[in-house]
Amino acid sequence: QQQVKQSPQSLIVQKGGISIINCAYENTAFDYFPWYQQFPGKGPALLIAIRPDVSEKKEGRFTISFNKSAKQFSLHIMDSQPGDSATYFCAVLTSGTYKYIFGTGTRLKVLA
Amino acid sequence: KAGVTQTPRYLIKTRGQQVTLSCSPISGHRSVSWYQQTPGQGLQFLFEYFSETQRNKGNFPGRFSGRQFSNSRSEMNVSTLELGDSALYLCASTLRTPGDTEAFFGQGTRLTVV
Repeated sequence: QQQVKQSPQSLIVQKGGISIINCAYENTAFDYFPWYQQFPGKGPALLIAIRPDVSEKKEGRFTISFNKSAKQFSLHIMDSQPGDSATYFCAVLTSGTYKYIFGTGTRLKVLA
Repeated sequence: KAGVTQTPRYLIKTRGQQVTLSCSPISGHRSVSWYQQTPGQGLQFLFEYFSETQRNKGNFPGRFSGRQFSNSRSEMNVSTLELGDSALYLCASTLRTPGDTEAFFGQGTRLTVV
């Protein structure tokens, strides 16, 4: 049973455009929602994360939008740059378990 | 501050053999989790160790095991290797204090089973 559904699988965006990646979850016990960025040959690195008590969090060009009632959250990358080309994973966690459940990943390519 | 260190970076093993992977967490982090990453299944949780005790376990067969030492370093062992065990094995360390759930990943060990 897939507890986190991530879309799209791949995304091509022009430089300066907005990249949007979506995730949907099922279990309302999840209370921590991070996004990870992974470059080839590297491990995932935390990009930005949100808890369900807020609906939006912004850090630089990266924004998480969170819809608790719909059980969905999304990553928005503003002014996308070629250096943003990577695979992005959403994840969910129930505090105290330390067992992350990851989405299937989105391969983003930003064209120069 | 050093990050999470995994050794070796690459391994090639034959079916039926066993393998041991090592992970040194960030200094001060006492929780170590292991994940398997494959193109087909993505990132899947194997297990988590904290204070030398396994705290959580994913849905993997008993051939996958681990342990943690008193200095928080962790090892993962896979016995009787199968072709399907070929994957990138990632280790993540966490401070594991209330409110601090961020997981820091190492670069992984790329295991190829032939």
